[in-house]
Amino acid sequence: DAMVIQNPRYQVTQFGKPVTLSCSQTLNHNVMYWYQQKSSQAPKLLFHYYDKDFNNEADTPDNFQSRRPNTSFCFLDIRSPGLGDTAMYLCATSRGQGGTGNTIYFGEGSWLTVV
Amino acid sequence: AQSVTQPDIHITVSEGASLELRCNYSYGATPYLFWYVQSPGQGLQLLLKYFSGDTLVQGIKGFEAEFKRSQSSFNLRKPSVHWSDAAEYFCAVGASGTYKYIFGTGTRLKVLA
Repeated sequence: DAMVIQNPRYQVTQFGKPVTLSCSQTLNHNVMYWYQQKSSQAPKLLFHYYDKDFNNEADTPDNFQSRRPNTSFCFLDIRSPGLGDTAMYLCATSRGQGGTGNTIYFGEGSWLTVV
Repeated sequence: AQSVTQPDIHITVSEGASLELRCNYSYGATPYLFWYVQSPGQGLQLLLKYFSGDTLVQGIKGFEAEFKRSQSSFNLRKPSVHWSDAAEYFCAVGASGTYKYIFGTGTRLKVLA
């Protein structure tokens, strides 16, 4: 059974039209992540939550926001998508820090195309 | 600085042949190492992980990896590749003191029938 569930799997949006991607988890993990992955590249971390504590990567554009209303759900909001935001967006979870032996688990991804 | 290097961007093997994907890491302490596989249009699936103990780690789908501290390597192997193994493979390390995981740039595997 899927443990990290992303919706929608595929989304096409117009340039500048806000879009929200959702993620839910059944693992009860403390940490939830959002990654951006462009074609043939490694995933790039946008931000993560430890419980309700939000941590933004320094190079994440202000256009990207996130919400985590409870342990199970996390949302990625792109306020004004540009063509360069076309990518796969991956949600992931872990119990704690990777450097202390916690495994990160990924969802199936949400393909976003900006036209 | 902590880093992960996957020297091979593309690898092509024939079905039934053996496979080895290379991964080198730069890490000061005991590394926590992972291999993930990503099929087209899908998320990353955990193949195996190394935290401590036996340096030869068994994973899913018939994959194994060997941790070699002296070579700073964590290479992924499979004795006999199946066409369904065609995918992108990512090596990663859990970054010390942070919630980050450092990924290599990936190796794309093509399997010839």
